[in-house]
Amino acid sequence: AQRVTQPEKLLSVFKGAPVELKCNYSYSGSPELFWYVQYSRQRLQLLLRHISRESIKGFTADLNKGETSFHLKKPFAQEEDSAMYYCALSGRGGGNKLTFGTGTQLKVEL
Amino acid sequence: GAVVSQHPSWVICKSGTSVKIECRSLDFQATTMFWYRQFPKQSLMLMATSNEGSKATYEQGVEKDKFLINHASLTLSTLTVTSAHPEDSSFYICSASFPRAGYNEQFFGPGTRLTVL
Repeated sequence: AQRVTQPEKLLSVFKGAPVELKCNYSYSGSPELFWYVQYSRQRLQLLLRHISRESIKGFTADLNKGETSFHLKKPFAQEEDSAMYYCALSGRGGGNKLTFGTGTQLKVEL
Repeated sequence: GAVVSQHPSWVICKSGTSVKIECRSLDFQATTMFWYRQFPKQSLMLMATSNEGSKATYEQGVEKDKFLINHASLTLSTLTVTSAHPEDSSFYICSASFPRAGYNEQFFGPGTRLTVL
């Protein structure tokens, strides 16, 4: 069975402070990991995926297979980063089905 | 591009009635659409995978006779909650799959809030 765990329901940081949203997964094969973001009153949208290894809006995430983690990081939080962040996993050959974590609400305070 | 719409955005119905929710890909053709359910303060749970022209594949624990899914065209999938009961009240979200950057990215609709009285 595949599972995604996001231990923090709420993460509050000050503007300019570093951000790390934690995500751990459980999957027996080689997964694809994603981070989705949902801004207030907006739909869910893809932020980044581990395979692309790119930085989006200053966010990066590295897949650590040894620790089965895919933490989302940003060195300096901005007010507009306040949103709900979901980590998701797709198993290879699973028809692109996504398993989502419970989400972490990021609040960036001034 | 890659916009997905849902209709209605919210619906209130009486217990025992059926409710249909539409999911449309507005500017692309989607061979695969997904239906999720989200309870308050909880994560999205995949209910079923819908492929155009074939029967939907339901996740374990999801009653296929209660949640009827039809994917009649490449731009439209519908979810019908039959004989709805208060416990079916939830936020239903669809997504449509579209190839982008070498893989099939899911684009999400805005969701439909169902309240069953």
